[in-house]
Amino acid sequence: NAGVTQTPKFQVLKTGQSMTLQCAQDMNHNSMYWYRQDPGMGLRLIYYSASEGTTDKGEVPNGYNVSRLNKREFSLRLESAAPSQTSVYFCASVRTGPPGEQFFGPGTRLTVL
Amino acid sequence: QKEVEQDPGPLSVPEGAIVSLNCTYSNSAFQYFMWYRQYSRKGPELLMYTYSSGNKEDGRFTAQVDKSSKYISLFIRDSQPSDSATYLCAMSAATDSWGKFQFGAGTQVVVTP
Repeated sequence: NAGVTQTPKFQVLKTGQSMTLQCAQDMNHNSMYWYRQDPGMGLRLIYYSASEGTTDKGEVPNGYNVSRLNKREFSLRLESAAPSQTSVYFCASVRTGPPGEQFFGPGTRLTVL
Repeated sequence: QKEVEQDPGPLSVPEGAIVSLNCTYSNSAFQYFMWYRQYSRKGPELLMYTYSSGNKEDGRFTAQVDKSSKYISLFIRDSQPSDSATYLCAMSAATDSWGKFQFGAGTQVVVTP
């Protein structure tokens, strides 16, 4: 039982390059989330998917796109990376029902030069 | 102004001391209150949660909610070096989609032997 997995663990991009962050969960949860974590800012929600086939914007969606490929997988894409997107990205899978416990992946550390 | 405020620390205490952490919030609709623990270079993990007001105890950890003051606390008794981590508070209104929480920025705790 791996929980939530994320790939890659580290990535360095040049401004303007694109990349996709992958996330998968094996807990059969309906909801999945993408956050970014920056010093002093805490976790900020980028996009979420309440169920397979649906996605919605969170607090900071600009510059990102997502795909809920199936119930297990939720990917985050940066089409044209900018230095402001340097951050640690966490994917989370959410247990159905209150209180909505979130299970986080190990994170992807992204640096955009 | 952020909806959830949390002192970033670092908070340094000697082993065996009581650690006191707190968050303030502005949204009176928040009903679910969680504390997550995040070790360095890892994803957050749920420590404990409370619903509405009151106290909850789990081993060495006690969570308190004071909705009248919009203030929540986490106490760690008999602190251990293994408690060294960043502690994030999170909260949600009951009417939100499950799992849509507002996170504090996190308080770094260092327990010295």
